[in-house]
Amino acid sequence: KNQVEQSPQSLIILEGKNCTLQCNYTVSPFSNLRWYKQDTGRGPVSLTIMTFSENTKSNGRYTATLDADTKQSSLHITASQLSDSASYICVVRQSNFGNEKLTFGTGTRLTIIP
Amino acid sequence: DGGITQSPKYLFRKEGQNVTLSCEQNLNHDAMYWYRQDPGQGLRLIYYSQIVNDFQKGDIAEGYSVSREKKESFPLTVTSAQKNPTAFYLCASIQGQGAGGELFFGEGSRLTVL
Repeated sequence: KNQVEQSPQSLIILEGKNCTLQCNYTVSPFSNLRWYKQDTGRGPVSLTIMTFSENTKSNGRYTATLDADTKQSSLHITASQLSDSASYICVVRQSNFGNEKLTFGTGTRLTIIP
Repeated sequence: DGGITQSPKYLFRKEGQNVTLSCEQNLNHDAMYWYRQDPGQGLRLIYYSQIVNDFQKGDIAEGYSVSREKKESFPLTVTSAQKNPTAFYLCASIQGQGAGGELFFGEGSRLTVL
């Protein structure tokens, strides 16, 4: 069964600290993986996309990694800010002979406290 | 600015009533999607449409209906047959079918059944 599991479910850190969110998946065949940020009561917004050949990619204070062999991805947030408080969702795209399917993780709820 | 507009933002419904959620996009995207988001669960696909006048059931289509009469519009009707309709509904669109295609989400509609 294709699954995307994220950990931790929730995380609370002090402003200015770093944190790392994890995403493990069993989706196959793998096409790409995206990290989305979802503010409370809003729609998700894409942070970064990782394809099979990419190991790491940065978007400002956000750095995503991908290990396609172990089927793991992480999202590292540096020098956290209060505005980073949100849910972070990992989404894996499966592509099989033109049929594409997205599998969503349940998200990590991140709270930044001053 | 280009984007996806969902309305209403909040909606209350009595049991037995049908309600329609609006989704309009001016991104000139071909494909549009409806997702349902519940606490502790990943987004689940209700319906999707890849072209005007055509749509397909997703994983949880029972109790829902859609139409795609115009490229820009993809309304979702939550019927009285949906046994547990209280949820946050997200509309999304994507350009083409490429593996790198990014889902753009609306701001969501929160439906509460009284």
